[in-house]
Amino acid sequence: ILNVEQSPQSLHVQEGDSTNFTCSFPSSNFYALHWYRWETAKSPEALFVMTLNGDEKKKGRISATLNTKEGYSYLYIKGSQPEDSATYLCAFILSGNQFYFGTGTSLTVIP
Amino acid sequence: GAGVSQSPSNKVTEKGKDVELRCDPISGHTALYWYRQSLGQGLEFLIYFQGNSAPDKSGLPSDRFSAERTGGSVSTLTIQRTQQEDSAVYLCASSPSYEQYFGPGTRLTVT
Repeated sequence: ILNVEQSPQSLHVQEGDSTNFTCSFPSSNFYALHWYRWETAKSPEALFVMTLNGDEKKKGRISATLNTKEGYSYLYIKGSQPEDSATYLCAFILSGNQFYFGTGTSLTVIP
Repeated sequence: GAGVSQSPSNKVTEKGKDVELRCDPISGHTALYWYRQSLGQGLEFLIYFQGNSAPDKSGLPSDRFSAERTGGSVSTLTIQRTQQEDSAVYLCASSPSYEQYFGPGTRLTVT
């Protein structure tokens, strides 16, 4: 069993606050790491695909970093907005087709 | 363009009945994945197809679960003799290579 852990499990922040969450994964046999946003009543939507140690990706107010040697990735949201409320999932990819998802971090942004 | 579609969107069935869940992937995507999310749990990998073949069936929880894919396109997930613990959201995703594109899911409730 391959463990992908995300923390915290849930998070409530005020609108305008910045926040971050963690995805921890095995540091061996790394292939790629994905971040997804899953809004209620919608499908998970890909945010970032990260493959190289030290990768930093950014999309608007959301960014992510990757450390494959120590086995973690951070997702940052700057100036949280209510529309950022969702569950954020990370997926560790062991090979091209073996995806292992974490349990997600549920973010609620309070207006 | 058209995304991944799943049907039905909701299914309520009695314990012991068989159910079939359908996934229509994005045209041209060679890989197709089935996951489920039980209440309070993360995404649980069930099975994936590369073309019509399923190289990894390790995630199927029991022999009541089976899946097939025909013509490298549509896939059906069949659950025989459903049990209450089968109640979950069943998600399908297709992938051309790295990223997964998820369907809206089928919410299965076994009463």
